[in-house]
Parts: sequence; structure tokens; C-alpha cells
Amino acid sequence: DGGITQSPKYLFRKEGQNVTLSCEQNLNHDAMYWYRQDPGQGLRLIYYSQIVNDFQKGDIAEGYSVSREKKESFPLTVTSAQKNPTAFYLCASSIDIPPNTGELFFGEGSRLTVL
Amino acid sequence: GNSVTQMEGPVTLSEEAFLTINCTYTATGYPSLFWYVQYPGEGLQLLLKATKADDKGSNKGFEATYRKETTSFHLEKGSVQVSDSAVYFCALSDPLGGYNKLIFGAGTRLAVHP
Repeated sequence: DGGITQSPKYLFRKEGQNVTLSCEQNLNHDAMYWYRQDPGQGLRLIYYSQIVNDFQKGDIAEGYSVSREKKESFPLTVTSAQKNPTAFYLCASSIDIPPNTGELFFGEGSRLTVL
Repeated sequence: GNSVTQMEGPVTLSEEAFLTINCTYTATGYPSLFWYVQYPGEGLQLLLKATKADDKGSNKGFEATYRKETTSFHLEKGSVQVSDSAVYFCALSDPLGGYNKLIFGAGTRLAVHP
């Protein structure tokens, strides 16, 4: 079945360490996104990519980095510069050609806890 | 800028009760509006959507009508079930922005008791 796979589901990190969250999709979608979810704050966009080898900062990109070397993959690195990285991270993808419906398809999320 | 405001939760209901979750938005242009649902421990799933004024989105007994005059997209269900317990997110997307960047509300947690 087509879908989005995020891994790991749970991740623990010590302060000062970088960690990379994996996101793979087999939906043949051009666009991919990373959102951060915190209690009571909804989802906030970290980075998005509309096409391979191109990506753009979202609303809260500081302390994060991404790459888009393949259409299927959009890994997110949480660097030591991110001041408060403990959160639930959601990857999503979408068709990005007209007619854009705006529908996003989400993975099941990765929960990062900094010890 | 564009924004979405949802009623604060949690909303606690008994099974078969009527549900309303309020959502209002601020946007330039003509956004599409969405309701997503997040079941415990999972990612978000699209529940329903409406792409223009007066459209009604519906799915699984849930409905929402795109009201441009009141900038609202309230979610309703006539008879909730325990399995509807989840967090519900209202969102908007402006397709003229050139990409499907969704702006989400803070989410409303629904708890349905037998």
C-alpha cells in the first residue's frame, strides 16, 4: 500500500547531539513537509520541499536542516542549535501540481525526547 | 497573515450526543478549508474539505460548511461514538500561494464516553 513511513517512532537524545528523522513516501508526490507538534499549539511548519534538490524554510526552521536528494525521501536533522527539540514530528506529502487540492498525507510521526 | 482559530478543548460528550467544534479563519484570497483528525498515537488524516464558499464537506457522518460571510468552518456530527475520540484540527490552504502550505489551528480534543 502507498503511504508515508517515518522512523524511528520514538527517539531519545542527549543534549548537544544531532539526530536525523527519516521520512519516506511511495505515493509519487512531488511535495514533502515537516511539521512540529507541541501540546496546545497545533502544527507548525519547519521545512517543505516542492521538488528534488530544492527546499524552503517554514515558520520555525531555526535549529533544523533537511535534504531532498530523492523524490521519495525527505530526512530532517534536529541539530544541537535547536533550543527546545522535545516534540512530536510529523512528515507529510502532497501532489503539487494544479489542481492543487491542498490535501496532505501524513506519516505516523516521530516523538523526540531530549534527556 | 492567514490564521485559524479553534475552540479550546477538551470537549467531553456522551455517546450519541450532538457535536459542534467551532473554527474561524482569517485569510487573504480564497482559501480551501479542511478538517483533519488525529487518533491517539497516529499522524493526521484528512476528514473533510471544502474548496469554495457555501461548499459542504462531509465524511463519516461529520459535516462542515464553508461560510465566507462569517469566515467559519464549524465541524458537526449528529451522533458521536466512542470511536470518534480524537484531536480535530481545522486548517486552511491558499492555493494561490503556489504550494500546499497548510495553516493549522491548535486542535480540539474530543472525548466521547459510553
